[in-house]
Amino acid sequence: GAVVSQHPSWVICKSGTSVKIECRSLDFQATTMFWYRQFPKQSLMLMATSNEGSKATYEQGVEKDKFLINHASLTLSTLTVTSAHPEDSSFYICSARDGQLLQETQYFGPGTRLLVL
Amino acid sequence: QKEVEQNSGPLSVPEGAIASLNCTYSDRGSQSFFWYRQYSGKSPELIMFIYSNGDKEDGRFTAQLNKASQYVSLLIRDSQPSDSATYLCAVTGNQFYFGTGTSLTVIP
Repeated sequence: GAVVSQHPSWVICKSGTSVKIECRSLDFQATTMFWYRQFPKQSLMLMATSNEGSKATYEQGVEKDKFLINHASLTLSTLTVTSAHPEDSSFYICSARDGQLLQETQYFGPGTRLLVL
Repeated sequence: QKEVEQNSGPLSVPEGAIASLNCTYSDRGSQSFFWYRQYSGKSPELIMFIYSNGDKEDGRFTAQLNKASQYVSLLIRDSQPSDSATYLCAVTGNQFYFGTGTSLTVIP
């Protein structure tokens, strides 16, 4: 149980294009999903927290107009990197929290590696 | 002060030894404590969680929680080279806070 998928796993795109990453909880309902970014040899950086049906809460320094998050259902959240630039190249990881469990465990997706040329 | 502090390491132990990973946290109201393992280039995977003071064992892994001293540790018995990874401590208080991770290398 508690499986989170991400799609795509790899993206290579040209500078200026937009990239959408999907995060799905496969066997549970995720009332809250989180989006992280991780640069090589650095720690996880929380970008935003999204609750189903409401606007995402962005961490300080994360541009909400650049990183669009939609959590339209209890099993799907999407992150769209708009007008991507080479500095946006990173490992993007989502996690989901099972709303029916008392504990607040986050289960991570496998990540999406983005390379912007 | 960071919410969750871990020694970044690297920590090296010989194969078969016990690896001890430590984590301290600042919020006394924290309720849940988690250990994740992250292999290079992969996303974190949950190893175990603990809520109550004391020890919790799962196979070769033992989590230890001491709320009075505000620390949580992870012991890995009979360490294997496949245990070489970065171990992330996470704590829930008002939010979910991750430490920066401890890099562990198990030497064959």
